[in-house]
Amino acid sequence: EAAVTQSPRSKVAVTGGKVTLSCHQTNNHDYMYWYRQDTGHGLRLIHYSYVADSTEKGDIPDGYKASRPSQENFSLILELASLSQTAVYFCASRQSSYEQYFGPGTRLTVL
Amino acid sequence: GDSVTQTEGLVTLTEGLPVMLNCTYQTIYSNPFLFWYVQHLNESPRLLLKSFTDNKRTEHQGFHATLHKSSSSFHLQKSSAQLSDSALYYCALSNYNQGKLIFGQGTKLSIKP
Repeated sequence: EAAVTQSPRSKVAVTGGKVTLSCHQTNNHDYMYWYRQDTGHGLRLIHYSYVADSTEKGDIPDGYKASRPSQENFSLILELASLSQTAVYFCASRQSSYEQYFGPGTRLTVL
Repeated sequence: GDSVTQTEGLVTLTEGLPVMLNCTYQTIYSNPFLFWYVQHLNESPRLLLKSFTDNKRTEHQGFHATLHKSSSSFHLQKSSAQLSDSALYYCALSNYNQGKLIFGQGTKLSIKP
């Protein structure tokens, strides 16, 4: 079974502060993704990466940066956290055309 | 561009009745990969079904779906709903060597006793 882990699992941040969410996969997958999910809503793609040291913008990249320093690690950075970024964030990994494996999620609350 | 449509935002059923969640897609590619993901409350989405073979039924955990390229559909079905089936269901599309999955909006399935 593929393994994707996220840290922290829960975080409370202050408006204007910097937040870094981390993701680690042991699947040897090329692709990694960051999604956000708001209560009662679907998944929205923020950033993704298909190789180390390269990231791509997803559908809602504004206010977020991403970093892929190695194949295993993919971070999501909120330089200036805002109230509207309160959500659950999921990381995922995938190999080519096949299924995607999600991490357990990080619940972020911005106050 | 590619897209996935799930027409029902919420489906409410009584336990024991059949389940059918609709999924249609649009793509210019002839060999799409289709997936169903399920997300239970406070959990992450996990794969339920997948298919890339036209007109072949795929089954898992009592659910089944058949990819029909002629109608661009991949509906999810189950013969008898259980309370534990209550969850959010996503249909998703990919094409060979494409960078990202295209997710539908999701359908919330609520099963009542």
